[in-house]
Amino acid sequence: DAGVTQSPTHLIKTRGQHVTLRCSPISGHKSVSWYQQVLGQGPQFIFQYYEKEERGRGNFPDRFSARQFPNYSSELNVNALLLGDSALYLCASSLVGYGETQYFGPGTRLLVL
Amino acid sequence: GIQVEQSPPDLILQEGANSTLRCNFSDSVNNLQWFHQNPWGQLINLFYIPSGTKQNGRLSATTVATERYSLLYISSSQTTDSGVYFCAVIKAAGNKLTFGGGTRVLVKP
Repeated sequence: DAGVTQSPTHLIKTRGQHVTLRCSPISGHKSVSWYQQVLGQGPQFIFQYYEKEERGRGNFPDRFSARQFPNYSSELNVNALLLGDSALYLCASSLVGYGETQYFGPGTRLLVL
Repeated sequence: GIQVEQSPPDLILQEGANSTLRCNFSDSVNNLQWFHQNPWGQLINLFYIPSGTKQNGRLSATTVATERYSLLYISSSQTTDSGVYFCAVIKAAGNKLTFGGGTRVLVKP
């Protein structure tokens, strides 16, 4: 079975632009979570979605938004990009999102110039 | 929120050496995972271990939930073990992984 997939792998944007990142979970998994990892730190939780509903949100500004589609894939959108948004964005997939193992995709590296 | 602390922050090993990485957490958890992050950024699942002991080849892990810590053991280290090891937890009744700061491991040939 395919693992968690993310696209694109790398992205370069300029300040003020908008970006959309995509994630497809493992087949059969209904929960997707998004994490941001800046250089030298551990990943930080951004959002969790389950059955198309937002289940949790981390301490990120409203410029960050996400959604989940009927096929359980997900998009993370970031508006009005800042230099500090440069990071590795990771998507995690799990069955129902409570307590069980989470599996991570390869990530999208975003560079904001 | 829950706090997760990992030690040591950096570890340099000679190939073949054994090592122990520690993860302390500040609250009850219903999920604890150990990950290895490779140089390309991929987080590789090592263990799902909210309690007890597990082994997988040269790696093993023990979580003592009542004392709020977990240990990851690497035996007979190899250069491919280099990378950053993360401990991450989900607190009881929670749904988000909280990561520690990681332990950066370098295994020298």
